Amino acid sequence: GAVVSQHPSWVICKSGTSVKIECRSLDFQATTMFWYRQFPKQSLMLMATSNEGSKATYEQGVEKDKFLINHASLTLSTLTVTSAHPEDSSFYICSASPPGGYYNSPLHFGNGTRLTVT
Amino acid sequence: GENVEQHPSTLSVQEGDSAVIKCTYSDSASNYFPWYKQELGKGPQLIIDIRSNVGEKKDQRIAVTLNKTAKHFSLHITETQPEDSAVYFCAASIGAGKSTFGDGTTLTVKP
Repeated sequence: GAVVSQHPSWVICKSGTSVKIECRSLDFQATTMFWYRQFPKQSLMLMATSNEGSKATYEQGVEKDKFLINHASLTLSTLTVTSAHPEDSSFYICSASPPGGYYNSPLHFGNGTRLTVT
Repeated sequence: GENVEQHPSTLSVQEGDSAVIKCTYSDSASNYFPWYKQELGKGPQLIIDIRSNVGEKKDQRIAVTLNKTAKHFSLHITETQPEDSAVYFCAASIGAGKSTFGDGTTLTVKP
């Protein structure tokens, strides 16, 4: 089945530094990937839609200069948290859908990245 | 935009009993309704989904029903097992694109 790999699974960084998270579709090409943020015991909050070869579409309230998204190939999207602060600590998850339309290709999620900013 | 409400927020059942989680949605244009299971520290995993042209779908112990008129859909798990314990999310979308998620239900199956 379709597999989405996310790396790293966890990262600890110091306040003020930047962190890059990778999301790869291992056995399919994804023109669109989605990035979510999840706080403890809460639902998934969509941050942005990553589009291969074009700019990402950010949800209202999400700072595009803070959360840089690059979707340079059909199998890789990256999320960079710039100048991280403790309030950016969270669980970040990506998802992607194989081509073919939703009828045959539901969303598949990565295993998430636990970011802790000290 | 779409709004998805999910109930209950927590559910505790005895092993072997059934569990039912219900969701309502607001946007009549939504036509795809997946259910995800999320274990601690992991990403959500799709367990079953239903499209708007179907009223019910079953996969072994798991079933989903959809009432388009009332804009609600439900997850049914029969013969629950301790390994079913997890957080379950419903979602609604137009296609498999931008999904709106419910707030989640923490299911605990007591052995």
